[in-house]
Amino acid sequence: KQEVTQIPAALSVPEGENLVLNCSFTDSAIYNLQWFRQDPGKGLTSLLLIQSSQREQTSGRLNASLDKSSGRSTLYIAASQPGDSATYLCAAYNYGQNFVFGPGTRLSVLP
Amino acid sequence: SQTIHQWPATLVQPVGSPLSLECTVEGTSNPNLYWYRQAAGRGLQLLFYSVGIGQISSEVPQNLSASRPQDRQFILSSKKLLLSDSGFYLCACRDIKRYDEQFFGPGTRLTVL
Repeated sequence: KQEVTQIPAALSVPEGENLVLNCSFTDSAIYNLQWFRQDPGKGLTSLLLIQSSQREQTSGRLNASLDKSSGRSTLYIAASQPGDSATYLCAAYNYGQNFVFGPGTRLSVLP
Repeated sequence: SQTIHQWPATLVQPVGSPLSLECTVEGTSNPNLYWYRQAAGRGLQLLFYSVGIGQISSEVPQNLSASRPQDRQFILSSKKLLLSDSGFYLCACRDIKRYDEQFFGPGTRLTVL
């Protein structure tokens, strides 16, 4: 059964720093891995999806990598801004099963 | 691209009252649809999913039920709410045309008093 964890649970950084959020999964036979952002009281916004055949995806200041052999994905945020403050969740999808979500990392970017 | 609508946005209901939350999807056809609950300080819990009209799978036994009367409509119901049903309810769809990417609606905040 797929299990997903995220470290750290919370992170506070000054504006302008580059940062890395970590996501680990136990079943390496994933079909894709998706990163989401959730603002307080809002739904989840899809940030990046990495297919199992890919090693990374980029969107603006965000870069997500995938290493299936080690069961890890990282979300890199460059030049962080206060507007990046939110909870970031990763979700692993094994084909034919349901998505399994991590507990999230709560990010605060201080001005 | 698809858009997911949920209503109501917020709801306050007394214990024992019925519940009906609605989710509709635009911009795609024959989507897989999901209901999740997010309790305060906890992660996402999958409640129900549907691969087609009238097809519902339940992940967690509880006093909630789901129905899919139309291709792009998904309804979450209860006959009698419990205090423990309070939470943030999210509807999502999976787009098989976009490598199974999952998209979420804005959510419904339910408070049971």
